Amino acid sequence: DTAVSQTPKYLVTQMGNDKSIKCEQNLGHDTMYWYKQDSKKFLKIMFSYNNKELIINETVPNRFSPKSPDKAHLNLHINSLELGDSAVYFCASSFQGYSYEQYFGPGTRLTVT
Amino acid sequence: TQLLEQSPQFLSIQEGENLTVYCNSSSVFSSLQWYRQEPGEGPVLLVTVVTGGEVKKLKRLTFQFGDARKDSSLHITAAQPGDTGLYLCAVLSGGTSYGKLTFGQGTILTVHP
Repeated sequence: DTAVSQTPKYLVTQMGNDKSIKCEQNLGHDTMYWYKQDSKKFLKIMFSYNNKELIINETVPNRFSPKSPDKAHLNLHINSLELGDSAVYFCASSFQGYSYEQYFGPGTRLTVT
Repeated sequence: TQLLEQSPQFLSIQEGENLTVYCNSSSVFSSLQWYRQEPGEGPVLLVTVVTGGEVKKLKRLTFQFGDARKDSSLHITAAQPGDTGLYLCAVLSGGTSYGKLTFGQGTILTVHP
């Protein structure tokens, strides 16, 4: 059983398009995160949700909008995609109070052409 | 300026060799973590060190937290091709409830058979 899953695994799209990435966790965690890993492998947090409430919102363009329909799901919608959005996006989850034990999904490689 | 500086950035060695990866900062941390990320996968937590001077072993991997809790090292003995991957150190800021992980830029290790 996959603990943290993401769809799609790969996403190739053109500049200006809007796309979404979905994340689901079956670990019973109440906190979920989105991270971005750039071409140099640098991994940086973007957002964090706890029980559907936005907790962390780093300096991310407002073209990126996370949505959490329930505590097991966290989606990431990106409007007006730009070349610089090309990266691998990772979802992660943890229990509140245990944010040092985060479980990561397999990532979604987004390529914007 | 990066909060965590990892070195080296790249390491290419032969099977059986030993290696050490370093994670340095000018800040003091309450804990520090090491992750391994294999190609096409998300980071997986290897260890958390919390006490200055602490040494933890995970099979052939030895992790040490500096006495001043500003730096850490990861030593691999008799490296194997299965050790190939991206090694990341990370620290938690903002508390354990809603904390966020900040990662170093990573060390890409390649072990040749």
